[in-house]
Amino acid sequence: NAGVTQTPKFQVLKTGQSMTLQCAQDMNHEYMSWYRQDPGMGLRLIHYSVGAGITDQGEVPNGYNVSRSTTEDFPLRLLSAAPSQTSVYFCASSFPGQGEGWETQYFGPGTRLLVL
Amino acid sequence: AQTVTQSQPEMSVQEAETVTLSCTYDTSENNYYLFWYKQPPSRQMILVIRQEAYKQQNATENRFSVNFQKAAKSFSLKISDSQLGDTAMYFCAFMKLYSYQLIWGAGTKLIIKP
Repeated sequence: NAGVTQTPKFQVLKTGQSMTLQCAQDMNHEYMSWYRQDPGMGLRLIHYSVGAGITDQGEVPNGYNVSRSTTEDFPLRLLSAAPSQTSVYFCASSFPGQGEGWETQYFGPGTRLLVL
Repeated sequence: AQTVTQSQPEMSVQEAETVTLSCTYDTSENNYYLFWYKQPPSRQMILVIRQEAYKQQNATENRFSVNFQKAAKSFSLKISDSQLGDTAMYFCAFMKLYSYQLIWGAGTKLIIKP
């Protein structure tokens, strides 16, 4: 049971480039989400999904796209990278509505992104 | 909108001492969850402890305990017998019942000195 995995661990992009951050979980969790972490701030929600085929925007969705074709995977796409998207990105998952601890989210190890 | 405030950007204590990290929040909700997450230098986000707002009893997990004051909207974390491995960023987070969306504080950097 690998939990929540993220790839890559670190990426450098030039302004205007596109890329996809990968997130996968093997716990059969329905809920998955993407957060970004910037210095001196708490995590902020970008997008989330409550199941395959269902996604919605969080607090800071601009510049990011998501899709959820399977329960296991929830990729985050940067369409045209900007320096303001330099951050650490975390993926999280949980299995809502299933008894004690349903609300606990499990986090991946993070992806550090630098946009030049 | 909910907000979470951690007023201590950084704290340091000697190993084996007890330390308390502060967290206050603002919400009009009656049912919600509160969390403390630990982020060591590895950047992995690790759940330390969680509290259901409808439970009056304070949550405890080994050396970690909380002081949950619902009326005051306060949720502090106490670490007893602190260890070098407790050195990390600590984040307080809030979640409305069934929203699944966490609202985070800015974090407190805790340093345990040998």
